[in-house]
Amino acid sequence: NAGVMQNPRHLVRRRGQEARLRCSPMKGHSHVYWYRQLPEEGLKFMVYLQKENIIDESGMPKERFSAEFPKEGPSILRIQQVVRGDSAAYFCASSRAGGNTEAFFGQGTRLTVV
Amino acid sequence: GQQLNQSPQSMFIQEGEDVSMNCTSSSIFNTWLWYKQDPGEGPVLLIALYKAGELTSNGRLTAQFGITRKDSFLNISASIPSDVGIYFCAGPYTASKLTFGTGTRLQVTL
Repeated sequence: NAGVMQNPRHLVRRRGQEARLRCSPMKGHSHVYWYRQLPEEGLKFMVYLQKENIIDESGMPKERFSAEFPKEGPSILRIQQVVRGDSAAYFCASSRAGGNTEAFFGQGTRLTVV
Repeated sequence: GQQLNQSPQSMFIQEGEDVSMNCTSSSIFNTWLWYKQDPGEGPVLLIALYKAGELTSNGRLTAQFGITRKDSFLNISASIPSDVGIYFCAGPYTASKLTFGTGTRLQVTL
């Protein structure tokens, strides 16, 4: 009974490159959330997706960041033309339903921009 | 943006002591969740609360959903070294956005 799987665990990118982070939700879960965590800080909501739909992207930066959750395959968080300020841990969570239900997290992807 | 305030910010306690922390919000919540995060790992769900006044236990952990629905409390009894970590409360400000508290960092000394 695999949990939420994220890959890669660690990702190093040079400034200007693209970063692609993947998240496979728990079996039976169709709701995915992405969060960003800076060192010594809490988790900040970025985006909430259901299969093929973005439900709430109010926490996403307006430029360079995009997310998708296709009908088949994992959810992808894409950061184009990365800058040093994008360095952070990015966590994905999934839940069986939206709203007030319990969300379970993956181990995160630690992005370092050099 | 909206944020849940947790206190204390950090705690140093001795093994065997009991621990209490709380989380407050300016808005009413219908759900409170408590997570623990170990260094380099993702948050792990400890306890979920769905009803005002509810008291729920998970081993040595006990959490309560405040009557006003604007706060929640987490207690850890007889702490052990593996309790070290950061504890986050979380609640849904909207149907989609699970908002996290500022965290309480717990360190346990032998």
